[in-house]
Amino acid sequence: AQSVTQLDSHVSVSEGTPVLLRCNYSSSYSPSLFWYVQHPNKGLQLLLKYTSAATLVKGINGFEAEFKKSETSFHLTKPSAHMSDAAEYFCVVSNRDDKIIFGKGTRLHILP
Amino acid sequence: ETGVTQSPTHLIKTRGQQVTLRCSSQSGHNTVSWYQQALGQGPQFIFQYYREEENGRGNFPPRFSGLQFPNYSSELNVNALELDDSALYLCASSLDLDNEQFFGPGTRLTVL
Repeated sequence: AQSVTQLDSHVSVSEGTPVLLRCNYSSSYSPSLFWYVQHPNKGLQLLLKYTSAATLVKGINGFEAEFKKSETSFHLTKPSAHMSDAAEYFCVVSNRDDKIIFGKGTRLHILP
Repeated sequence: ETGVTQSPTHLIKTRGQQVTLRCSSQSGHNTVSWYQQALGQGPQFIFQYYREEENGRGNFPPRFSGLQFPNYSSELNVNALELDDSALYLCASSLDLDNEQFFGPGTRLTVL
């Protein structure tokens, strides 16, 4: 069985400061892990994915995430937030033999 | 532009009715997945089709059914609609199994 927990439903940061969105997962097998972003009235967009290669994964728009097996975490970070980063972010876990599981989402607010 | 389109964009039905939602995959993609996203929640996996065959199903009752056509477009059918079926329904296509999924903008279904 697998599951994913996004530890914060809302995160607020000031523009230009670092972003940290936390995600913990549970999986019986070596998982694939993803982060997606959903802007209002737009489709989900893939930010980055981990599929058992490098543990530090770089994505689009300056985002990156680090796979930490010992902590079963896959936190999303960005060094400097931009107003356009305000959106809903979803952590996703999947493997070939099981279902695709989305977290409940973290709403990122950017303060001017 | 992801290339995945869904129709209709919005739909209102009453309890007990049946509904068909449609998805046109990105060109060349042979895999399509359907998700239900209730308000304030992450998307929940309904099922996936690969080359016209069902290839995995989430925890949804049999009144949720699907089809994938030879041109890889897809339908989601829901019978005997219930109030809790009100949600955003997302379709995602991918080049093959295990490849990145590209999401459509979704169909907003309201059941009264």
